[in-house]
Order: sequence, then C-alpha cells, then structure tokens
Amino acid sequence: RKEVEQDPGPFNVPEGATVAFNCTYSNSASQSFFWYRQDCRKEPKLLMSVYSSGNEDGRFTAQLNRASQYISLLIRDSKLSDSATYLCVVPATDSWGKLQFGAGTQVVVTP
Amino acid sequence: NAGVTQTPKFQVLKTGQSMTLQCAQDMNHNSMYWYRQDPGMGLRLIYYSASEGTTDKGEVPNGYNVSRLNKREFSLRLESAAPSQTSVYFCASSEAGQNSPLHFGNGTRLTVT
Repeated sequence: RKEVEQDPGPFNVPEGATVAFNCTYSNSASQSFFWYRQDCRKEPKLLMSVYSSGNEDGRFTAQLNRASQYISLLIRDSKLSDSATYLCVVPATDSWGKLQFGAGTQVVVTP
Repeated sequence: NAGVTQTPKFQVLKTGQSMTLQCAQDMNHNSMYWYRQDPGMGLRLIYYSASEGTTDKGEVPNGYNVSRLNKREFSLRLESAAPSQTSVYFCASSEAGQNSPLHFGNGTRLTVT
C-alpha cells in the first residue's frame, strides 16, 4: 500500500458549489497532516495543518478520521481561484524528518 | 521577506554535464529538503538535512549529491546529468522535521538533452 493515496480527479465543480475529497494514509502513528495547494508549474503552498481531529480556515475544512486513516478536505462556496491541485502530506513511516506527498487531487472550478 | 530562494530558475544541460542547484532560506529553519516532481507523480524526496551538519538520503538519491553548507544553504549537485533527471526541482525548509510545515522555493526547471 502506498504511504499516501489521493484520487487524482479532476473534480469539476461549478462556482459556488461544495467539493470534498479524501486522502488515505498508511502510517497509523502519524500525528500531523498537511494540505498544500499547487498551481500549475508553481511551488506547493501550505493550505492547512491538521494536528487533531480537524481544522477549519474560512471556506476550507479538513477532517481527520484516525480509525479509517484518512483526512478529507472540503471547500465550500468554490471560487474560480480555487482551481488547483491539492496535495496531501503525511510523515513517512520509515524515518524521522521525511514527509510523504500524495500525487494530488485536481480541482477545476467552472463558471 | 525572501523565504526560500532557489537558483537557477531554468537550466538546460547536455547528458554528462554537471551542475549545482543552490538553495538558501532566511527563516532560521533547521531542516532543509530537495524534492523532484515529475508529471503525474507526487513530489519525491531526493535528500534532506535534518539539521546543520547532517544529510540523509531520501526516496530517489541516485545520481545526486548534497551539501549543507551552513544553516541557511543546502545545495544539490548533479555530477553527470542524465535525461532521466529532467524534472522540476524544489528546495524546501521546515522549522523542525516532519511535524512542521514545509516552505518551498520557486523551483528549478531542468532539462537534460
């Protein structure tokens, strides 16, 4: 099983709608999780850190389900500017200091 | 507030040539990382430096070497470039290891012909 798995999408979302997608992870001992946003051919940028059951920042909500080992990201009232690839990041199982990146979920918000 | 600065932004090499990618951070972070990103794949860790004076291999270290010159700077060297090393390279730093978020540089787009 891969360390971190994401549905690649794309998720095509009408402007103003809600979209949610998951990220599954294999390291049951992980204590922290991150969602990054990456625009085409640019560097990933931190969207949200998740250290407990979840986190909320404006229109973005991350929820952690430790029993099933997945984290979700929900985007409410989608904007055209939310179109991007969302990367899930989890500490690696085999060594301190490493973070494992999912391949990303592409979201396309349409007018 | 520069954050993480990478140079160069673009580079074209011929097979067998060598080059060094430079990375510097001004956030006083302890840990620094080099990733590569290829189409359809997630970021893969090449090397990382947990703290000044230490370096460790990541997932795909073959063909690369690194130097943690001081706390600020972490360079990546390709001794003999190969077409398989065509990729986008990102340097990143974090305050302290895997429970701290990463801050990325703008990336270096490398093509090896």
